[in-house]
Amino acid sequence: AQSVTQPDIHITVSEGASLELRCNYSYGATPYLFWYVQSPGQGLQLLLKYFSGDTLVQGIKGFEAEFKRSQSSFNLRKPSVHWSDAAEYFCARLPEVGNEKLTFGTGTRLTIIP
Amino acid sequence: DGGITQSPKYLFRKEGQNVTLSCEQNLNHDAMYWYRQDPGQGLRLIYYSQIVNDFQKGDIAEGYSVSREKKESFPLTVTSAQKNPTAFYLCASTETGGANTEAFFGQGTRLTVV
Repeated sequence: AQSVTQPDIHITVSEGASLELRCNYSYGATPYLFWYVQSPGQGLQLLLKYFSGDTLVQGIKGFEAEFKRSQSSFNLRKPSVHWSDAAEYFCARLPEVGNEKLTFGTGTRLTIIP
Repeated sequence: DGGITQSPKYLFRKEGQNVTLSCEQNLNHDAMYWYRQDPGQGLRLIYYSQIVNDFQKGDIAEGYSVSREKKESFPLTVTSAQKNPTAFYLCASTETGGANTEAFFGQGTRLTVV
């Protein structure tokens, strides 16, 4: 079954430090990959997405992600985190155009310490 | 403004009762989704619909039912057969087609069984 795995349940980083959140997907042709962020009790906001082309994609709030087909990964990065980045982050996958089963990883909760 | 509206924000249900959660979108999206969110389990797909009058079971459809009579509406009924319905429920819709594909989320409904 096609799936998305986020191996880190909870990550704590210091404000100003760099961040990398991991995401792995099960192999499939032409994956459509997303990163979303959720504040407590709220819906999800799209940070960035990848469909094709340049494997390094830029998103909002200073986030970027790199698609690596050889590693089946789509890790999210930010060079310097801010206290407002504390939230839950979800990686998601759409198998292909015409198959709209959008599935999510289990999420990574990010805590920022001063 | 376009978006997705879920109602109510909070819902209390007695054991043995059915309850229906509303999801309306004015984005003219074809695909709509219902997810259930529990702590540590991410978003699990309940049902999704790619077109009016058609829908597919997701990963945890047991105890739930949906309808898609209109493009803009995708209500979810939590039936008495759902053994543990207390959770946060999120509705989403997608505009599909290559680089435009993106899921938009409602603000969620928190259902509590009392």
